[in-house]
Amino acid sequence: SAVISQKPSRDICQRGTSLTIQCQVDSQVTMMFWYRQQPGQSLTLIATANQGSEATYESGFVIDKFPISRPNLTFSTLTVSNMSPEDSSIYLCSVVRSGFGNEQFFGPGTRLTVL
Amino acid sequence: ELKVEQNPLFLSMQEGKNYTIYCNYSTTSDRLYWYRQDPGKSLESLFVLLSNGAVKQEGRLMASLDTKARLSTLHITAAVHDLSATYFCAVDPFFGTGTRLQVFP
Repeated sequence: SAVISQKPSRDICQRGTSLTIQCQVDSQVTMMFWYRQQPGQSLTLIATANQGSEATYESGFVIDKFPISRPNLTFSTLTVSNMSPEDSSIYLCSVVRSGFGNEQFFGPGTRLTVL
Repeated sequence: ELKVEQNPLFLSMQEGKNYTIYCNYSTTSDRLYWYRQDPGKSLESLFVLLSNGAVKQEGRLMASLDTKARLSTLHITAAVHDLSATYFCAVDPFFGTGTRLQVFP
């Protein structure tokens, strides 16, 4: 399986500030995704992180609010900008790794609380 | 955008009973995943179904895929309390709503 680490694992932030979440994978992967999981809810895809180009955002998510970087095939960041309490959620990084039956692997998540 | 729907959303079942969770999706796909999530934990991959007619079994859980009907099922046989969790299907990379399963004595 792919080993995925995320930093920070959790944070408590003040309204109006920004937080950058890092995702590191132990090997090169083609597909990387960022998800949000609100309490008691399913996973919602925020965007696909594209290496060397702008991320592809899903409906309801915009680059100004959730800027994403992917400088190489093993690393990505998601920034949650100008946070409000509604952004309190778990944010998960995920990868699809070819050669493993195209199985999707998930990081441990970042638990964000906005006060 | 691909839509993935699960039903039921909530399932309370007695130990020893059988039940099926259904996962429908809106557009063609040849890859479907089932995951388990315990409260406060990350996702645990259960099955990856890669072709029409695929059937996989692990313990008391069996998953199948019908790509023509755009339907996958997760069948629970002789449920035990340890199976209590939330189960998600996903059609790369979109997730279903989840089915919260509670198994009681």
